[in-house]
Amino acid sequence: SQQGEEDPQALSIQEGENATMNCSYKTSINNLQWYRQNSGRGLVHLILIRSNEREKHSGRLRVTLDTSKKSSSLLITASRAADTASYFCATDAGGSQGNLIFGKGTKLSVKP
Amino acid sequence: NAGVMQNPRHLVRRRGQEARLRCSPMKGHSHVYWYRQLPEEGLKFMVYLQKENIIDESGMPKERFSAEFPKEGPSILRIQQVVRGDSAAYFCASSPPSQHETQYFGPGTRLLVL
Repeated sequence: SQQGEEDPQALSIQEGENATMNCSYKTSINNLQWYRQNSGRGLVHLILIRSNEREKHSGRLRVTLDTSKKSSSLLITASRAADTASYFCATDAGGSQGNLIFGKGTKLSVKP
Repeated sequence: NAGVMQNPRHLVRRRGQEARLRCSPMKGHSHVYWYRQLPEEGLKFMVYLQKENIIDESGMPKERFSAEFPKEGPSILRIQQVVRGDSAAYFCASSPPSQHETQYFGPGTRLLVL
C-alpha cells in the first residue's frame, strides 16, 4: 500500500460542520504536507508540519502529527461549500531528493 | 508573479504518436518535478530536475518517457509512442533553490490517448 493513505476516502458534511481527515504513512519523515485539489485543477499547498511539531494552525485549518503512530490529521472548522475538494497528504519519506509521496486523497463534499 | 505554467492544458494523441508536455516554473525557481495522476488516484512522482540536470528519475518508466530542463526555456516531459495507459493528468511543480519542501503545482496537462 502507499506511503500516505488518507481516510475516509469520501466525506460529506453540511456547511458549518467540521471536517476531519486522517493520513497514515509508513517510513520516517522530515515533514508532512497537506494539499487541496479542486476538481480538474492543480494542487494548492495548505500547510506543512515538521516531524518535531505536534500541531499547527492556519486559519480554519488545524493539522496534527503523531510520529509514534505515523499519522496526521487535518481538521477544517466551520466548513464552507467552497471547501469542497479532494485533500491529499504528502510526505518526503525522510529523504532529501525532493520527491513527495502522495496518498489517494479524501474527497470532501460540503453541502450548502 | 505568475505561478507554474503548463501547456497544453489538454492534449489528445492517437496510439503511437508522441506527446510533449511543457512546464514553466515560477520565477526564481530552479527545481522542477513531474508527477502523474490517474483518475481517482493520488499523484505519483516521476522525475526531479534542476537546470540541465536530472536529479532523480526513479519514478519514470524506463522506456518511452524522457524529461529535460534546459538552461533556457521550459521543462519538457516527452512520451514517445503513446499507449492508452498513458492517459492521465501530468502535473509539474517547482520550488526555489535550496528549498524543496514546499512545491508549487501547475494546473496540469490532461493527456488522452485514443
